[in-house]
Amino acid sequence: DAKTTQPPSMDCAEGRAANLPCNHSTISGNEYVYWYRQIHSQGPQYIIHGLKNNETNEMASLIITEDRKSSTLILPHATLRDTAVYYCIVRVGGTSYDKVIFGPGTSLSVIP
Amino acid sequence: GAVVSQHPSWVICKSGTSVKIECRSLDFQATTMFWYRQFPKQSLMLMATSNEGSKATYEQGVEKDKFLINHASLTLSTLTVTSAHPEDSSFYICSARGGGASTGSYNEQFFGPGTRLTVL
Repeated sequence: DAKTTQPPSMDCAEGRAANLPCNHSTISGNEYVYWYRQIHSQGPQYIIHGLKNNETNEMASLIITEDRKSSTLILPHATLRDTAVYYCIVRVGGTSYDKVIFGPGTSLSVIP
Repeated sequence: GAVVSQHPSWVICKSGTSVKIECRSLDFQATTMFWYRQFPKQSLMLMATSNEGSKATYEQGVEKDKFLINHASLTLSTLTVTSAHPEDSSFYICSARGGGASTGSYNEQFFGPGTRLTVL
C-alpha cells in the first residue's frame, strides 16, 4: 500500500466543520483512499472511501484533489462523539488480496 | 449487516497461562480474517492473516508459536496467546473480509470491537 502523511493531532470546536488532511503523493491509479476512525478502546470504524471523485455519506465528505495526491475528510458539524483517531489509508480495496495497514493517524479532539 | 464480534471483550490472566480470543462474523461468511495488536497510544499493528482452512500468514516479527491462529470455519477465527507474559498485555482486534450481497461490500474488511488482554 502507498504511504500516507497526516498531522498527528488537530482540535476542532464543537459544531464546526472538522477538516482532516491527508497526503498520498505516491498513490497508484488503482488505489482508493479510505478513511477509518477509532474511538478510544473500540475497534476501527469505516467512514468513507473514494477513487477520484468527491464522495459524501451520512458521516462525512471526502474531497480528493484532481491529481489524487492529497485528500481531505470533512466532518460537517463535529460533535464531542467525533473525538477519535482518524486514519487515512490508500489501498486497492475490495480485492481478495489486500489488507488494511494503519499508519499513526490524526488524533482529533472536539472541544466544547 | 457486516457485524464482527469478539469474545471476551476483556480478560485478565496470570503470567504463564494461555488465553483464547474468538472472532466471529455474525451475518456473513469471512473467507479471510486478520488479527491486529495495539499498544497504548500506538496505532494498530497487523499480526497475521488467516484464510479459512489453511495456515495463517504472520507478519515479520510476530512469533507464530506464541500467537496461534485457527480459522476453522467461515465465521470463526481464534487467536490463542500461549504462555502469556505481561508484555503481551495489549488490545487485540480482529477483522473479517468477505460478504456479498448481504453486506453490500463484497471483499471489504469489517472490524471487531477488540479484546483487552491484561497479563499479571
